[in-house]
Amino acid sequence: GENVEQHPSTLSVQEGDSAVIKCTYSDSASNYFPWYKQELGKRPQLIIDIRSNVGEKKDQRIAVTLNKTAKHFSLHITETQPEDSAVYFCAARNPYGQNFVFGPGTRLSVLP
Amino acid sequence: SQTIHQWPATLVQPVGSPLSLECTVEGTSNPNLYWYRQAAGRGLQLLFYSVGIGQISSEVPQNLSASRPQDRQFILSSKKLLLSDSGFYLCAWNRLASETQYFGPGTRLLVL
Repeated sequence: GENVEQHPSTLSVQEGDSAVIKCTYSDSASNYFPWYKQELGKRPQLIIDIRSNVGEKKDQRIAVTLNKTAKHFSLHITETQPEDSAVYFCAARNPYGQNFVFGPGTRLSVLP
Repeated sequence: SQTIHQWPATLVQPVGSPLSLECTVEGTSNPNLYWYRQAAGRGLQLLFYSVGIGQISSEVPQNLSASRPQDRQFILSSKKLLLSDSGFYLCAWNRLASETQYFGPGTRLLVL
């Protein structure tokens, strides 16, 4: 089955700097890769996603890149702000199954 | 628009007591439904998913069970709770033809 790894597990950056979180997946059939942000005590919220027919997607300060050959995808947050502090989860899904496999999460702290 | 509800929001139960958590989705038909558990400070563990009424797939063997008595209702149950069942239980859904998954507000369960 699919296995998703995520690094780093914790990340601290200064406000205004960029943050990068990387995930790798094992199933080459996976074709959908969402990223979720979870604030303390809240539900995970979808912030961006990418499908395997696209190499990069951007939404304001957030971007995701996908390397299908290497089977890894990354979340990039530019000009970080204190409200970006949260736990971020990546996930992968293949077209044959109905379930999503999540990475273990990255706790991002943006220091003012 | 679609919304997802979970109740109760919080629950404190003694070891050995039964459990019933409910999840309902509004504004869509025949959704895929999921139950996840999140231990404190940890990632998302998929427990069950369902692609239709009466159809349940279990991802992890445990003392929990799930049922889907109606198209937009998903129930998580246990006959006898264990201490290790404590956690944040999240219901999620996605449209049959869409990968995008949305989470409910969650139920925080504490087993004492």
